[in-house]
Amino acid sequence: GAVVSQHPSRVICKSGTSVKIECRSLDFQATTMFWYRQFPKKSLMLMATSNEGSKATYEQGVEKDKFLINHASLTLSTLTVTSAHPEDSSFYICSASGDFNSPLHFGNGTRLTVT
Amino acid sequence: GNSVTQMEGPVTLSEEAFLTINCTYTATGYPSLFWYVQYPGEGLQLLLKATKADDKGSNKGFEATYRKETTSFHLEKGSVQVSDSAVYFCAFRPYNAGKSTFGDGTTLTVKP
Repeated sequence: GAVVSQHPSRVICKSGTSVKIECRSLDFQATTMFWYRQFPKKSLMLMATSNEGSKATYEQGVEKDKFLINHASLTLSTLTVTSAHPEDSSFYICSASGDFNSPLHFGNGTRLTVT
Repeated sequence: GNSVTQMEGPVTLSEEAFLTINCTYTATGYPSLFWYVQYPGEGLQLLLKATKADDKGSNKGFEATYRKETTSFHLEKGSVQVSDSAVYFCAFRPYNAGKSTFGDGTTLTVKP
């Protein structure tokens, strides 16, 4: 089945530094990838939709200058949390699908802790 | 607007009990419907799906039927196991559209 690899699975960084999270579709081409944030015992909050070769579409309330998304190829999207602060600590999850009518395939998530 | 409402948790059952997690949706057109499962510390995995009215999705003993007349997609399992303990998310995706809409998730705990 379709596999999405997300890396790293855990990262601890100091306040003010930047962290990059990678999301790769390993055996299919993903025209569109999605980035979510999940708070403890909460549902997924869609942050942005990432389209290959174009600018990401951010959801209302998500700072695009803080959460930089790049989708340079059909198999790779990255999320960079810039100038991280403790309130950015969360579980970030990416997902991808081959086309609009296919299920989403999720990465295993990245636990970000900002100290 | 589009939305998914699923049964609030947490749900605690004994092993071999019957499980129902209710899910209803509000959407225009004919969306595809999904149930995803999230085990602790992991991302979401597709559990089952249905793409048109009256379709039944099934996997690992779980079932859900696409009911257009009641806009529902309730998840059921006849006999749960401890290993089914997880968070379950109902979701839909409009036909030929990118974004999916997720419910808030229902935490299931199965006790031996």
